[in-house]
Amino acid sequence: DIQMTQSPSSLSASVGDRVTITCRASQSISTYLNWYQQKPGKAPKLLIYAASSLQSGVPSRFSGSGSGTDFTLTISSLQPEDFATYYCQQTYSMPPITFGQGTRLEIK
Amino acid sequence: EVQLVESGGGLVQPGGSLRLSCAASGFTFSSYDMHWVRQLTGKGLEWVSAIGTAGDTYYPGSVKGRFTISRENAKNSLYLQMNSLRAGDTAVYYCARASQSSSGWDFDYWGQGTLVTVSS
Repeated sequence: DIQMTQSPSSLSASVGDRVTITCRASQSISTYLNWYQQKPGKAPKLLIYAASSLQSGVPSRFSGSGSGTDFTLTISSLQPEDFATYYCQQTYSMPPITFGQGTRLEIK
Repeated sequence: EVQLVESGGGLVQPGGSLRLSCAASGFTFSSYDMHWVRQLTGKGLEWVSAIGTAGDTYYPGSVKGRFTISRENAKNSLYLQMNSLRAGDTAVYYCARASQSSSGWDFDYWGQGTLVTVSS
C-alpha cells in the first residue's frame, strides 16, 4: 500500500498569512494526487486534483504543486473560511486508495 | 444539481449487519465510478470500497470479505452491505462520486454522511 504522510499535523496561522502544507508519498505516484478541505461536521470538499488543477469554484488563492513523491498545497492569503482540516489523497495505485492523516489549520 | 444522500446508518451490535444506501441525482449515475469513504470520530478519512461502471469492485484489506458494494443504475442508487461488524467499523460513512482526470480519479461530490455505531 502507498502511505501518504502530511506535515505538519497541525498549524496555527493568521488571516492574510501564506500557508504551505506538504504531502509525501511512500513511492512515486506521478501527479495522481488530490487535496480536500473538510470543516467540522461536513463532508470533504475537493480543492485540487491531478496535483495542480484547481477544482471549479475553488478560490484562486489555493494552489497545488509537485510530482513523484512530494507535493504541496499552498494558500496564498488565508481567509477566515479557510480554517479547516486538509487531506491529500493518492489514486495512483488501488486498491487501496489512501489519504494522508490530515493537517488541521487553526487560527492563531 | 448533483446530490448524494446516504441513509441506513444506525446502532448495530458487534457481529451484526447493516446496509447503507446512497441515492444519487443530478447526473448520469451509470456513467460514474462510485466509492464509499469512512471517517472514525475525530479521525482521518479511510477509503472503504469502489464500484466501476461495469460493476467491477474493489476493497481494502480491512473490509474485504465483510463488506460488499453494489449499484442499481435503474434506481440511481449505491449500496454498501456490511457484515460481521466490529467496534472499529464505527464511523461516518460517505458515498462519493469519482471523476476521471488526466491523473487518476478525484472525488468531486460527496454525500452528507451517515453514522454507523457498532456497540453492544
